[in-house]
Amino acid sequence: QQQVKQSPQSLIVQKGGISIINCAYENTAFDYFPWYQQFPGKGPALLIAIRPDVSEKKEGRFTISFNKSAKQFSLHIMDSQPGDSATYFCAAGSNDYKLSFGAGTTVTVRA
Amino acid sequence: ETGVTQTPRHLVMGMTNKKSLKCEQHLGHNAMYWYKQSAKKPLELMFVYNFKEQTENNSVPSRFSPECPNSSHLFLHLHTLQPEDSALYLCASTLLGTEKGYTFGSGTRLTVV
Repeated sequence: QQQVKQSPQSLIVQKGGISIINCAYENTAFDYFPWYQQFPGKGPALLIAIRPDVSEKKEGRFTISFNKSAKQFSLHIMDSQPGDSATYFCAAGSNDYKLSFGAGTTVTVRA
Repeated sequence: ETGVTQTPRHLVMGMTNKKSLKCEQHLGHNAMYWYKQSAKKPLELMFVYNFKEQTENNSVPSRFSPECPNSSHLFLHLHTLQPEDSALYLCASTLLGTEKGYTFGSGTRLTVV
């Protein structure tokens, strides 16, 4: 049973636009929600993470929005750049230090 | 480099072969993981080692056998694999008790023929 559902599967955005990726979870024990970025030929790299005690976290052009009641969280990439073209994974974990991942979103930023 | 090194980067093996994947980290982490990554699917957790002790075996077929001789090294021994086992195998590590998240290696691209 997939514990984290991610959408869309892929998206194309123009340079300077906003990319939005959404994730939903069911397990209320989850208390750690990271996002990973993966380039071809590389492993996923931690991009940004949030705990459920805050509703938003921003790091540079990347923002996580978190809705605890809806059990949803999303990644916003502002002012998207061609270098942001990658696959993005949301994940969720609890105090057992095991992460459940979404299926990934391939983002293509067109110049 | 992320600090987690996986070898080999690519591996092609027949269904009757025996091979091993290696993962090494010198980040001082004390938990290591094997994940399987297939196209368009979520990363699948295979094995977890905390302080060198295996704490998770996610219903993985016995043709996959992990080994963790110390906190810096992790192996995945492979034998009599099936073509559907072809995937990218990722190793990750973390420091328990912190919020540093996982550090992944670049993976081993495995093709079973």
